[in-house]
Amino acid sequence: QMQLVQSGPEVKKPGTSVKVSCKASGSLSTASAVQWVRQARGQQLEWIGWIVLGSHSTNYAQMFQERVTITWDMSTGTAYMELSSLRSEDTAVYYCAANVVGSTWFDPWGQGTLVTVSS
Amino acid sequence: QSALTQPASVSGSPGQSITISCTGTSSDVGFYNYISWYQQHPGKAPKLMIYDVSNRPSGVSNRFSGSKSGNTASLTISGLQAEDEADYYCSSFTSSYTYVFGTGTKVTVL
Repeated sequence: QMQLVQSGPEVKKPGTSVKVSCKASGSLSTASAVQWVRQARGQQLEWIGWIVLGSHSTNYAQMFQERVTITWDMSTGTAYMELSSLRSEDTAVYYCAANVVGSTWFDPWGQGTLVTVSS
Repeated sequence: QSALTQPASVSGSPGQSITISCTGTSSDVGFYNYISWYQQHPGKAPKLMIYDVSNRPSGVSNRFSGSKSGNTASLTISGLQAEDEADYYCSSFTSSYTYVFGTGTKVTVL
């Protein structure tokens, strides 16, 4: 059974960047992609982007296209999501989730990482 | 990509059935049968409840079922129980090889 464990909470100033990690353990061979999703307090889930683990190809939601980079370190089984030019509206819980090989659904999920952007 | 449209809230009494709709476009919900549904309790990560429109993962109650017609997908919860009170989100793979979530529905058990 694959599990995803994310890095701890972050507090950042506007205009800076944040890099959140998502370490996969267990049945890594069953994962084909890692997704990133965020949720502001009391708000809906918002898809950020994904990385296909075999090819390292990525695709991002248009609203994040210019500011986000998702990477995968195969040697450590860790995915990263870096968001730049942070603003207060980026304050949210950021989740990673995996696609099992052949699937288009998100399961399992990480526990979430709170990123707070404040001056 | 605009969020898929869900009702903000749906409520029902224990034992009743409720249905949550998820409306998109021909570029997402109507394009593939790659619709999934997630349950989220306060302060928790989302949990997969339905995948590929109508399939249940192992361990999910058969009280949960999904369907799709055209650009609208639906999640039905039958025999409503107190533990079903949560937020529910639909998600669709799109023709642009991206994903989009719904606006979310708060289910209240009266």
